[in-house]
Amino acid sequence: SQTIHQWPATLVQPVGSPLSLECTVEGTSNPNLYWYRQAAGRGLQLLFYSVGIGQISSEVPQNLSASRPQDRQFILSSKKLLLSDSGFYLCAWRASGEQFFGPGTRLTVL
Amino acid sequence: GEDVEQSLFLSVREGDSSVINCTYTDSSSTYLYWYKQEPGAGLQLLTYIFSNMDMKQDQRLTVLLNKKDKHLSLRIADTQTGDSAIYFCADLPHSGNTPLVFGKGTRLSVIA
Repeated sequence: SQTIHQWPATLVQPVGSPLSLECTVEGTSNPNLYWYRQAAGRGLQLLFYSVGIGQISSEVPQNLSASRPQDRQFILSSKKLLLSDSGFYLCAWRASGEQFFGPGTRLTVL
Repeated sequence: GEDVEQSLFLSVREGDSSVINCTYTDSSSTYLYWYKQEPGAGLQLLTYIFSNMDMKQDQRLTVLLNKKDKHLSLRIADTQTGDSAIYFCADLPHSGNTPLVFGKGTRLSVIA
């Protein structure tokens, strides 16, 4: 069966520090991969999505970037975090009609 | 662009039925989804319906799709306190690689 992993589960970082969040998927090949951010337990904001290795579409201009170095690995990065980057980051994958989410990473920027 | 709308809050008594409603704008939507999010957790795919269907039932969950009115609903029978969560409606505007469009979520509170 398919499984999606995200780490770390929680992260507290100072303003201006770098960020790297990782997402890996098991049990499927060539999935579409997505990064979302959720602020204050409400709506989802799509940040990036990828339909294949090295292919990244950015939905929102900001100080974040994404990379897909392997088929089932999706990385969210920042060189310098802002206070406004705090939130709940969710990775998701989709193949055919179903889309599944990972457990999320809670990021607090102080 | 495509838009998905939901009411923000719903409160029901334990044992009653809950009905969460959603409207969408894209007439070419292919799949429509319901997700559940409990506090501190990711989104759990509850069920989804293909756009050529008008109803889908899965145990206590019933999804109704009115394609003419672009209206989707999720009915939870015999609502339990464990059903308290945020429920997200989403649609896939076209087939292929288009990202899902999500509503802002309906917070369901179940009163014992």
